[in-house]
Amino acid sequence: EIVLTQSPGTLSLSPGERATLSCRASQSVSSSYLAWYQQKPGQAPRLLIFGASSRATGIPDRFSGGGSRTDFTLTISRLEPEDFAVYYCQQYGSSRGTFGQGTKVEIK
Amino acid sequence: EVQLVESGGGLVQPGRSLRLSCAASGFTFDDYAMNWARQVPGKGLEWVAGISWNSGSIGYADSVKGRFTISRDNAKNSLYLQMNSLRTEDMGLYYCAKDRGPQWLGLMDVWGQGTTVTVSS
Repeated sequence: EIVLTQSPGTLSLSPGERATLSCRASQSVSSSYLAWYQQKPGQAPRLLIFGASSRATGIPDRFSGGGSRTDFTLTISRLEPEDFAVYYCQQYGSSRGTFGQGTKVEIK
Repeated sequence: EVQLVESGGGLVQPGRSLRLSCAASGFTFDDYAMNWARQVPGKGLEWVAGISWNSGSIGYADSVKGRFTISRDNAKNSLYLQMNSLRTEDMGLYYCAKDRGPQWLGLMDVWGQGTTVTVSS
């Protein structure tokens, strides 16, 4: 099983700042089958990024994904008030797909 | 509007069974694979099972293989999860989620609001 480790656990930032979230895989993720989701309290997750760097439908371009093999990042270029949430990375494409433990982006 | 509505959750004793349902609307259901995922409140997410558009390909997480069965009825725009031999570690909020394409990848671009499963004696 591929273990995804997200860092930091919590990121304290102010609106307008840049956020950089990390997701490290214990083994290479095939075909860059790496996704990012956003989850707000009391809501279901929302797909942001798939294929490591492709934005899902309707996702603002301040969200961008990058990386390959074992190291991936999600960048939010300028934090808006609605971006404060928990973010999960996920490797998908097989029955052994897994999620990271999440990074909470909170208001400083 | 694309919508997924889960039902069937509840309180069940360990070792018993439960069947979850998901009603889909707002998209062409039989064009897409579907998934179940779960989340323990305050904890992380876990993909549980996926099924292709025509039920020809099905996958399960190791934690539920042999106990859970995913199925779909395209005529009724519905997805199901039959859960047998339930354990306390199966407790959580179960989400129905649409995949991005016809073959299941576990890449979930539309989610329902979830139905809660509690396993306790």
